Amino acid sequence: EEQLVESGGGLIQPGGSLRLSCVGSGFTFSDYAMSWVRQAPGKGLEWVSGISGSGGSPFYVDSVKGRFTVSRDNSKNTVYLQMNKLRADDTAVYYCAKDSTAFLYSSREFDPWGQGALVSVSS
Amino acid sequence: DIQMTQSPSSLSASVGDRVTITCRASQTINKYLNWYQQKPGEAPKLLISATSSLRSGVPSRFSGSGSGTDFTLTISSLQPEDFATYYCQQSYNVPRTFGPGTKVDIK
Repeated sequence: EEQLVESGGGLIQPGGSLRLSCVGSGFTFSDYAMSWVRQAPGKGLEWVSGISGSGGSPFYVDSVKGRFTVSRDNSKNTVYLQMNKLRADDTAVYYCAKDSTAFLYSSREFDPWGQGALVSVSS
Repeated sequence: DIQMTQSPSSLSASVGDRVTITCRASQTINKYLNWYQQKPGEAPKLLISATSSLRSGVPSRFSGSGSGTDFTLTISSLQPEDFATYYCQQSYNVPRTFGPGTKVDIK
């Protein structure tokens, strides 16, 4: 069974940094791009970032460009989201999700998703 | 970016009802439309990909149709476990964008 487990969420002050991790199992991790999708409290879903299976071709939504960095360590079956200069509007549950192809920009769906990591940005 | 809209934003229905949710894209997305189900406190789950391909393990009461800019998710006979929020998502281009969701609750 394919499974994703996130960790690293928490309460952080505005301007602070946090790193999320997502460990995948049940599939050949390096064969798939991985993405991060967030959901603000009571709101919808927003694709934030993604990275190809090789570790290249990263994507960032405009609102996080220059502040967030996605990376992966295929030897550890782990994808990371380094979040710097956090703002109140970054408060959300962050889900990692497996893409359908190795190349991020060819992927057509997110499946499965992890259980999510809550990031709260507040003073 | 491609904007996705859904209607209705919420609906109340009874067990056994036929439910239809509509999703519209701001430009043509061919067949590249997915549907996800999210229950409270849970992660989204992929139900249907590429407009009409039912994912493994998803009950056959769920179906999808459409093309171009207009798409539909239909639940033929609503079951208690189907009360949830449903999101459409386009995978035609980047950034992948989601609709705002349709909440299905009990009448």
